[in-house]
Amino acid sequence: DAGVTQSPTHLIKTRGQQVTLRCSPKSGHDTVSWYQQALGQGPQFIFQYYEEEERQRGNFPDRFSGHQFPNYSSELNVNALLLGDSALYLCASSLVGTGIYEQYFGPGTRLTVT
Amino acid sequence: GQNIDQPTEMTATEGAIVQINCTYQTSGFNGLFWYQQHAGEAPTFLSYNVLDGLEEKGRFSSFLSRSKGYSYLLLKELQMKDSASYLCAVRDGYGGATNKLIFGTGTLLAVQP
Repeated sequence: DAGVTQSPTHLIKTRGQQVTLRCSPKSGHDTVSWYQQALGQGPQFIFQYYEEEERQRGNFPDRFSGHQFPNYSSELNVNALLLGDSALYLCASSLVGTGIYEQYFGPGTRLTVT
Repeated sequence: GQNIDQPTEMTATEGAIVQINCTYQTSGFNGLFWYQQHAGEAPTFLSYNVLDGLEEKGRFSSFLSRSKGYSYLLLKELQMKDSASYLCAVRDGYGGATNKLIFGTGTLLAVQP
């Protein structure tokens, strides 16, 4: 049973560039949430995708956008990168409607902006 | 506003018991989670409380009081491998379509020999 996978593992970008991070949910899950975790902090909710639509959004600027595909996988895009975007980006998957609310996290993508 | 408070750091001795507290003030509440996160790794699920009371799972127990906005995670028979960050998170949503988690900053637990 494949868990949540993310790619790439690490990424180094320059200020002003754009980045795309990818996530495949745990087998059987249909909902993907993205979180940003700065060093020494708890994860901060970016947005959540269900049925290929953004369902909820946290306090992140429009530079952060996403997409969910028919196979439930998801992408996180960040435009015009800032130094402050350096963080661990976590993807979490869950299954709506079953009463099981646990979110399973992937290993994350470590983004460094220089 | 959304606020989740937990101690920044704690130290305990191998074999002992430690209690990590969490207080929360959120606009919505639909359950409280505890996650364990080792350095550089993804958070892993420990427990989920939606009703008041104690949930026990092996060496780990979690307690919830919704009226007080309070939870704690109890770790018994501490082992060195329990050294990690422990994250308290509130599920802020209603119904099955939303599953947003609001996290505290985490409590870094150091287990000493």
